[in-house]
Amino acid sequence: DQQVKQNSPSLSVQEGRISILNCDYTNSMFDYFLWYKKYPAEGPTFLISISSIKDKNEDGRFTVFLNKSAKHLSLHIVPSQPGDSAVYFCAAIIPSGNTPLVFGKGTRLSVIA
Amino acid sequence: GAGVSQSPSNKVTEKGKDVELRCDPISGHTALYWYRQSLGQGLEFLIYFQGNSAPDKSGLPSDRFSAERTGGSVSTLTIQRTQQEDSAVYLCASRYPTGGLYGYTFGSGTRLTVV
Repeated sequence: DQQVKQNSPSLSVQEGRISILNCDYTNSMFDYFLWYKKYPAEGPTFLISISSIKDKNEDGRFTVFLNKSAKHLSLHIVPSQPGDSAVYFCAAIIPSGNTPLVFGKGTRLSVIA
Repeated sequence: GAGVSQSPSNKVTEKGKDVELRCDPISGHTALYWYRQSLGQGLEFLIYFQGNSAPDKSGLPSDRFSAERTGGSVSTLTIQRTQQEDSAVYLCASRYPTGGLYGYTFGSGTRLTVV
């Protein structure tokens, strides 16, 4: 059973517009959430994270929103750039549980110039 | 080295053969993780080593899969009697104890193809 779900396998956005990537989770014990970005033939790299005590975290063009009651988070990229084209993975963890990150299936973002 | 190194980068093997995948973590990183990414799937957790503690093997899909970590550093993931469904990218990550939850550093992976 998928504890972290990214229901959109792909997303295509015009350069300069906003990209919104969504993620849902089922385990209410998850307390910390992360987004990773992956280019082909490279390993995933950390992008941005959010603790469950917050509902928003911003870092430059990237903002992550968390709706804990809905068990939903989203990553906003604005403005989108062609270099943002990659696969984005949502991940969740129980910080105190000494357990590994649980990842979603990823969303492939294509930013069209 | 500066990053997590995995070898080989690509491996093609015949069904039924054994394969060994290697991971060199960042020096000083005591936590080491193996994940795999199958076609159309997310990153599936396989096994986790933390210092001298017994590894968390809860993600290994079958007893054909095993991993060891020698001297708290290099790790080898072994797949015996490979099957076509084992074809995937196998990713290793390491983390410094106080590196925070975002402190996972991934290698570039080994792409395994079983023919």
